[in-house]
Amino acid sequence: ETGVTQTPRHLVMGMTNKKSLKCEQHLGHNAMYWYKQSAKKPLELMFVYNFKEQTENNSVPSRFSPECPNSSHLFLHLHTLQPEDSALYLCASSQADLYTGELFFGEGSRLTVL
Amino acid sequence: GENVEQHPSTLSVQEGDSAVIKCTYSDSASNYFPWYKQELGKRPQLIIDIRSNVGEKKDQRIAVTLNKTAKHFSLHITETQPEDSAVYFCAASKGFQKLVFGTGTRLLVSP
Repeated sequence: ETGVTQTPRHLVMGMTNKKSLKCEQHLGHNAMYWYKQSAKKPLELMFVYNFKEQTENNSVPSRFSPECPNSSHLFLHLHTLQPEDSALYLCASSQADLYTGELFFGEGSRLTVL
Repeated sequence: GENVEQHPSTLSVQEGDSAVIKCTYSDSASNYFPWYKQELGKRPQLIIDIRSNVGEKKDQRIAVTLNKTAKHFSLHITETQPEDSAVYFCAASKGFQKLVFGTGTRLLVSP
């Protein structure tokens, strides 16, 4: 596998469930991100990890809990979500340096909260 | 914090025409302005970016212009083709990592 892969691609969960989204990058990058994409809204940055350390939490509710065990893997743990959390969750990676800002996105995990 | 506005939300052109998408930003400290293209059901991909020390950048049929004084930047696509049909997102940030995106422009190129 190359690039950025996300699993699962689709997830339906109830408001009391606990589930996790997984992201893996095969690009040798040192930064990983979670973005939320809702209909008719801009892509919203949720979390940034540099060298496994969280460097940005964009005022995300605590029902979203990220985990970055190493520079290649990123998880988003979900619990007691609300219907308005239904969206496409995109993972991305980049090489955090002075020369490039290109984000490489995964194909996303489409989450539906019932 | 940064706020990015993007217009129009939808743009329909005939094949071969030019298309222009405009964005404004609020934070004068922003120095990085990328454009991403997202085809239906696919991931966003960077198509061009510009930094604040440059006023214009071109890559084949795509160009981006930046007006720092007015705090706006634009994407220009010439000789549009049906495969240019997609949603285009502008973004702005200070540095590379905290991109704030616009709401997107759906471009439809009709043959």
